[in-house]
Amino acid sequence: NAGVTQTPKFRVLKTGQSMTLLCAQDMNHEYMYWYRQDPGMGLRLIHYSVGEGTTAKGEVPDGYNVSRLKKQNFLLGLESAAPSQTSVYFCASSYIGGEDYEQYFGPGTRLTVT
Amino acid sequence: DAKTTQPNSMESNEEEPVHLPCNHSTISGTDYIHWYRQLPSQGPEYVIHGLTSNVNNRMASLAIAEDRKSSTLILHRATLRDAAVYYCILRAIYTGNQFYFGTGTSLTVIP
Repeated sequence: NAGVTQTPKFRVLKTGQSMTLLCAQDMNHEYMYWYRQDPGMGLRLIHYSVGEGTTAKGEVPDGYNVSRLKKQNFLLGLESAAPSQTSVYFCASSYIGGEDYEQYFGPGTRLTVT
Repeated sequence: DAKTTQPNSMESNEEEPVHLPCNHSTISGTDYIHWYRQLPSQGPEYVIHGLTSNVNNRMASLAIAEDRKSSTLILHRATLRDAAVYYCILRAIYTGNQFYFGTGTSLTVIP
């Protein structure tokens, strides 16, 4: 199993450009998450999904949109990139709640907006 | 939202035990306590979790205070590979199982 993969690994955007980050998981997980991590900080939740076709806002959703058209994929979109969105983006997935709950994280996408 | 407080950094000598503290005074009765660690340039990885009782696994032990307002992650013998940022996280099971990361504790292991 590949686990959680993220595409691309690195990207540089100019202010105002748009892009989509792709997250894919092969563990048949119901839940998927997008986080951002700024230098010296912990991760902050942007959006999450509890199943195919559903999405919800996290702590810092402004400036981002997401879609979960297929169970295994979770897309994060930036419609008009801003320098404040320079960050490392992590995707994660997990089974539905319960006692044995573990989030599996991808390797991250480093995004720079100039 | 429940929050956690951890020291910014700690040091340990190699092959000695490490006790990483976490305060979570606003924890609710249904919040699980999770620990994750993040190695340099990688995504976080699961370490251990618990609700009320102390927990052990192959990586670490988790000691939870009786009033649940604090917990301690115990690495029994620190190795150089344990150098990472350790996050203590509360999982609120009735709000979408969201994780709220703090800034974590950066552990340095001295050879």
